[in-house]
Amino acid sequence: AQTVTQSQPEMSVQEAETVTLSCTYDTSESDYYLFWYKQPPSRQMILVIRQEAYKQQNATENRFSVNFQKAAKSFSLKISDSQLGDAAMYFCAYTQGAQKLVFGQGTRLTINP
Amino acid sequence: GAGVSQTPSNKVTEKGKYVELRCDPISGHTALYWYRQSLGQGPEFLIYFQGTGAADDSGLPNDRFFAVRPEGSVSTLKIQRTERGDSAVYLCASSLTGAGGSYNEQFFGPGTRLTVL
Repeated sequence: AQTVTQSQPEMSVQEAETVTLSCTYDTSESDYYLFWYKQPPSRQMILVIRQEAYKQQNATENRFSVNFQKAAKSFSLKISDSQLGDAAMYFCAYTQGAQKLVFGQGTRLTINP
Repeated sequence: GAGVSQTPSNKVTEKGKYVELRCDPISGHTALYWYRQSLGQGPEFLIYFQGTGAADDSGLPNDRFFAVRPEGSVSTLKIQRTERGDSAVYLCASSLTGAGGSYNEQFFGPGTRLTVL
């Protein structure tokens, strides 16, 4: 079974600084998708960024970028120029396309003004 | 347009009671997913519908949990004889289609917080 592990229960960063959240996963498949979701206190899961495993280029979305290391099964999220609105729980997730999402345990990100 | 909606937002019930949680997916989305998120944890998959049928119910924890989607739109998650351990946020998500190997983004609702006293 596929598993996703986030080893950082909590992280904090100064406003305007850069922070990196870690994620590792385990799968025997070669074709899959990886995601980072943000969950504010409102509980709404919001997709931040996604990466297709067949793409070698790391995905970027404005201030958010990933470091995808397929051989190491590592998928970290870098947030640049952190803003107060970035404070939330962040979940790493995996899927093989039209399948369920498998989530990690989450990392609580705090932004210090 | 309207997103995924879930009702009720919060539900408090007593141990042993029956509850129903409702999910209204985005119009036109044929795939619908239910997840359960316990306090301090990531969401865990419960069941996935493609149209009216359950394509994967491997995440349902036991036979007290049941879900339906009779017309391929609205879905109801039903929990019988609730236990305190059922307390969690129940999240629903929908996507354009779950068929085939390509991925279609799952859009999440705000969840229903279930508390079993």
